[in-house]
Amino acid sequence: QKEVEQDPGPLSVPEGAIVSLNCTYSNSAFQYFMWYRQYSRKGPELLMYTYSSGNKEDGRFTAQVDKSSKYISLFIRDSQPSDSATYLCAMSAGAGGTSYGKLTFGQGTILTVHP
Amino acid sequence: ETGVTQTPRHLVMGMTNKKSLKCEQHLGHNAMYWYKQSAKKPLELMFVYSLEERVENNSVPSRFSPECPNSSHLFLHLHTLQPEDSALYLCASSPSFPWEASEQFFGPGTRLTVL
Repeated sequence: QKEVEQDPGPLSVPEGAIVSLNCTYSNSAFQYFMWYRQYSRKGPELLMYTYSSGNKEDGRFTAQVDKSSKYISLFIRDSQPSDSATYLCAMSAGAGGTSYGKLTFGQGTILTVHP
Repeated sequence: ETGVTQTPRHLVMGMTNKKSLKCEQHLGHNAMYWYKQSAKKPLELMFVYSLEERVENNSVPSRFSPECPNSSHLFLHLHTLQPEDSALYLCASSPSFPWEASEQFFGPGTRLTVL
């Protein structure tokens, strides 16, 4: 079983739609959760960061973490063509013990928002 | 130059060639990373350097040889590669190490093709 599972898509939605991207994980030690966005021919850039369970909102983006279900989500409201990219979830157990904060990534979901 | 830069952006090499990838970060960070990104696979961490000292070698074959002469520069020396080594090689940096909750900043990557 992979440590982090992410549906690779591709996902295609019309402009203005609400997009839901999800990851599940198996390592209960994970406590830092991130979403990276990667445009074509670019490196990933951090979009959202959450510590432990709960919700975090930033403009049109909302990140949710449910540690009891080992499930994280990223919601995009009023999606725009400029949101078309690959979205990568990433998580870490932090720097304690033998973990030095190594990030474990999902394989990424390709999202296309068409006008 | 700002952020994390990588050269070359594209590289085609034969299996018997020797080449090097270069990464430079202009952020004053203390840690640098090499990742491999293959199609439909999660990002794979290859090497981690903290203050020019290698702290992680993630079971990477010896045909990949990293070098970190100072905290701003990171190299990946390549020799006798295999076609399955074709991928996008990403460099990243982070402010602190051990990484607790600090963001990793990625460069645009080098697209490597091994013939």
